[in-house]
Amino acid sequence: KNEVEQSPQNLTAQEGEFITINCSYSVGISALHWLQQHPGGGIVSLFMLSSGKKKHGRLIATINIQEKHSSLHITASHPRDSAVYICAVRRGAQKLVFGQGTRLTINP
Amino acid sequence: EAGVTQSPTHLIKTRGQQATLRCSPISGHTSVYWYQQALGLGLQFLLWYDEGEERNRGNFPPRFSGRQFPNYSSELNVNALELEDSALYLCASSGGRDFDTEAFFGQGTRLTVV
Repeated sequence: KNEVEQSPQNLTAQEGEFITINCSYSVGISALHWLQQHPGGGIVSLFMLSSGKKKHGRLIATINIQEKHSSLHITASHPRDSAVYICAVRRGAQKLVFGQGTRLTINP
Repeated sequence: EAGVTQSPTHLIKTRGQQATLRCSPISGHTSVYWYQQALGLGLQFLLWYDEGEERNRGNFPPRFSGRQFPNYSSELNVNALELEDSALYLCASSGGRDFDTEAFFGQGTRLTVV
């Protein structure tokens, strides 16, 4: 079992739908990152969380430390949101452990 | 402000050769991290440099090595290339010894070994 599990692995939705991507981890962490990877490989750091909730535009990230779970929500989804979303947790010695990613496709 | 820059964007090498990948962090960042993303696989941690020293390395053979220069830019060297080294290599930088600060990624170098 991977230390970081994301679900779903693939998600296709229509423009405007509310999107939720989940991340569960099995170890103690000090921080969790949500990353966005576009075709071609470039990665953008969306959020870094250690507790609670953060919001940036149409993106919302939450984390529940006790339940070892985080969610990334996208409101009013748009085709330009199509990307791979990656959850990564920091545990010890500056090493990030990554989930396998969720491939999101938003159709117009 | 310039982001993390990596060069080259694409690199094609033959098996057995050496590859050198370069990364320039965001100005003021002292930590540089290298990751490998092989086709169909997730990101794997390779190396972490901070203040010119290697602080940690992932589960990769010694032919993966690197260094960090006084200006905090970094090189990743892969010796005796193997076909399975074909991957996207990503560099990230952060503001100090704590990856709990925001991390910024470069666009990556796509290495193809033929």
